[in-house]
Amino acid sequence: DAGVIQSPRHEVTEMGQEVTLRCKPISGHDYLFWYRQTMMRGLELLIYFNNNVPIDDSGMPEDRFSAKMPNASFSTLKIQPSEPRDSAVYFCASSLRGADTEAFFGQGTRLTVV
Amino acid sequence: AQSVSQHNHHVILSEAASLELGCNYSYGGTVNLFWYVQYPGQHLQLLLKYFSGDPLVKGIKGFEAEFIKSKFSFNLRKPSVQWSDTAEYFCAVNAHRSYIPTFGRGTSLIVHP
Repeated sequence: DAGVIQSPRHEVTEMGQEVTLRCKPISGHDYLFWYRQTMMRGLELLIYFNNNVPIDDSGMPEDRFSAKMPNASFSTLKIQPSEPRDSAVYFCASSLRGADTEAFFGQGTRLTVV
Repeated sequence: AQSVSQHNHHVILSEAASLELGCNYSYGGTVNLFWYVQYPGQHLQLLLKYFSGDPLVKGIKGFEAEFIKSKFSFNLRKPSVQWSDTAEYFCAVNAHRSYIPTFGRGTSLIVHP
């Protein structure tokens, strides 16, 4: 397996634009996590899915953020409208059984909102 | 809710020095514990993990960690660091009933050649 695949690797957008980040988890993994990493706040869990169902989205900062997982092999994180404070590295991770196994991370998407 | 505390935010060492990074967690039940490493510009990768059994866990690249249940600690150690160990190190905990991996703030390690 190629591991967790995220796209794009880098995204630069203007404030107010919609941004969509994409993630393909490892095949067979039934948990998917979206994290945001910043210097100020470290690694924050935004939302996670189990078997494509969102379980906990309490980490999503505000309504401008939304995430979907239409099938077992694809998830999106959307920011609409984007703001400069959303600039961060966004990681997607997947795991096989949640607490019982480690999470495998994608390469991340570095988002810059100008 | 579980939480993870990493005491050292920045550590600077010379090559061949010994390393110990502190990690404490707060959760009263059974946990799985992890250390991840993030090399500059890369994603997080697993260094080692503890699920059960021997509390002294050996990982890749000469790293080891010791789980001390009474202290709620899972400190990372390496007897002799190398320049290539320069990276960010994250401690993480999964509580058995929450399924959410919770990460510490991370420790930035710089090793001077």
